[in-house]
Amino acid sequence: GAGVSQSPSNKVTEKGKDVELRCDPISGHTALYWYRQSLGQGLEFLIYFQGNSAPDKSGLPSDRFSAERTGGSVSTLTIQRTQQEDSAVYLCASSPQAVSGNTIYFGEGSWLTVV
Amino acid sequence: EDQVTQSPEALRLQEGESSSLNCSYTVSGLRGLFWYRQDPGKGPEFLFTLYSAGEEKEKERLKATLTKKESFLHITAPKPEDSATYLCALGSGGSNYKLTFGKGTLLTVNP
Repeated sequence: GAGVSQSPSNKVTEKGKDVELRCDPISGHTALYWYRQSLGQGLEFLIYFQGNSAPDKSGLPSDRFSAERTGGSVSTLTIQRTQQEDSAVYLCASSPQAVSGNTIYFGEGSWLTVV
Repeated sequence: EDQVTQSPEALRLQEGESSSLNCSYTVSGLRGLFWYRQDPGKGPEFLFTLYSAGEEKEKERLKATLTKKESFLHITAPKPEDSATYLCALGSGGSNYKLTFGKGTLLTVNP
């Protein structure tokens, strides 16, 4: 399909383990975003990539979280030493350009459960 | 700080019973007011973007309107398939790529 693709769709991990979540944005979209959706909460901004510019990491909740985007396309969100409070849906999104007001398109999300 | 408040948190309607969802906001330099629909276990699906007060957009049974302080999502003669969580989000001049989301309104339409 032509949408944002995320994997895995579901992940159960033990507390203290590292996890990697992958996002493949819509072809041609230069902007890529990671959001987190916890139970009963609104979507929370995590990180933003735009082309070759330095990413905006201001939403990452702790230094256990990191993300990279290789070749301006695929992105990986890594959570080290997972904690139970990291359990949430991690949503990736992309848009044609960075300007606010431009529509962003979300993937189906990666459901992370830390036990 | 940009803020978005959606009400009600949950709404139950009978099929055909029209109603409205509210999104109240405070923002420094509105760049866009977005409505998304989210089905259980799915990512948000884009519905509308509104850019300025007085603007309206329609899609099937949905109509979104915008004032300087709030947006409404009007649902006319809803059907059970309209059941979903509806999310409101702001794009602002203070940060031109981070959306601030509300917590959503869970709409259930009973047949």
